[in-house]
Amino acid sequence: AQSVSQHNHHVILSEAASLELGCNYSYGGTVNLFWYVQYPGQHLQLLLKYFSGDPLVKGIKGFEAEFIKSKFSFNLRKPSVQWSDTAEYFCAVILFGNEKLTFGTGTRLTIIP
Amino acid sequence: DTEVTQTPKHLVMGMTNKKSLKCEQHMGHRAMYWYKQKAKKPPELMFVYSYEKLSINESVPSRFSPECPNSSLLNLHLHALQPEDSALYLCASKVRLLAGEGGTQYFGPGTRLLVL
Repeated sequence: AQSVSQHNHHVILSEAASLELGCNYSYGGTVNLFWYVQYPGQHLQLLLKYFSGDPLVKGIKGFEAEFIKSKFSFNLRKPSVQWSDTAEYFCAVILFGNEKLTFGTGTRLTIIP
Repeated sequence: DTEVTQTPKHLVMGMTNKKSLKCEQHMGHRAMYWYKQKAKKPPELMFVYSYEKLSINESVPSRFSPECPNSSLLNLHLHALQPEDSALYLCASKVRLLAGEGGTQYFGPGTRLLVL
């Protein structure tokens, strides 16, 4: 079955540390990839997306992600995190030509001031 | 503007009640979605509407009844719910189905439902 894996369930970092959250998917065809963020008590917001072209995509708030097709991965990165980045992060994948957006289980990020 | 609005923000209902959730977008999007999100879990797709017609039903129990009265509105009618249906119900919209590079889903803030 098609799936999206986020192996880091809870990540705790100090401010200014670098961040990398893993996302792997098991789809075999062309995919569209997303990272969404859900701040405490708030709704899902799009951080960034990849459809085609440059595999390194930049999003809002200094986040970026790299699509590595050979590894079926779309890892999220930020060089220096802030306390305000504390949130739940979801990777999501949709198979091109399909309409079901499948989410990973999410990674809870806690930033310690 | 990428705003999807949902009302009410919170809803408490008994198992015999009938209530409705409402979702609205004015971005001209023609695909609209209902998701259910339990605490500390990812959203799960329930229904997809395309051009006001039901396109996908993810085997959702009939006590949940979606309705798309026009291109801007999406309702979810609730009847005889169970306590395990308590969750955050999210609405999303997209420019249209199979939209390729325009195909980003934008989410509303959700309705937090508690069934007693």
